[in-house]
Amino acid sequence: EVQLLESGGGLVQPGGSLRLSCAASGFTFTTYAMNWVRQAPGKGLEWVSGISGSGGSSTYYADSVKGRFTVSRDDSKNTVYLQMNSLRAEDTALYYCGKGGWMDAWGRGTTVTVSS
Amino acid sequence: DVVMTQSPLSLPATLGQPASISCRSSQSLVHSDGNTYLNWFQQRPGQSPRRLIYKVSNRDSGVPDRFSGSGSGTDFTLKISRVEAEDVGIYYCMQKTHWPPITFGQGTRLEIK
Repeated sequence: EVQLLESGGGLVQPGGSLRLSCAASGFTFTTYAMNWVRQAPGKGLEWVSGISGSGGSSTYYADSVKGRFTVSRDDSKNTVYLQMNSLRAEDTALYYCGKGGWMDAWGRGTTVTVSS
Repeated sequence: DVVMTQSPLSLPATLGQPASISCRSSQSLVHSDGNTYLNWFQQRPGQSPRRLIYKVSNRDSGVPDRFSGSGSGTDFTLKISRVEAEDVGIYYCMQKTHWPPITFGQGTRLEIK
């Protein structure tokens, strides 16, 4: 069974940093791209970032996070990360990781709140 | 960026009756490889999104056959042949033909009348 477990969310002040993790199991992690998608309170889905499979040589970002967020993966740990720096109030959201380029499975999400 | 526009945004549906959601893209979603990368997701209250349909019309494993996807180019539809209570939630279309960025529609909230 495919499982994705996000962690690392929390309350952070504007300008602060957080690193989210998504631990995967139940599939051959290394062969799949992975994506991060966020959902602000009461709002729709917004794609944040993606990383290619097999070591993650290619990374992609939404304009809203480019230069502030960095996606990476550790295939030995079946984990994808999202390093978030210079956080803003508008980054407050539930952050999901999605399996594959077409997101055929999602985790339950981890909540990030940016507030002073 | 490709803009995905869904309608309606709110869909009061009757149990046992059909329901339909439209999704229109600001440009054709036909990829140079011939595929159309248009997915549909369901998000039930308090749950994570779940993919229902990929590449316009392919149902994911475990998705009831009352859900169907159709369309081409810039115009796509998700149909529910007979609405059931468990179908309540928000439905999103998503394109990955022209990316980055991957873009989603605004979401359509389905409720039971």
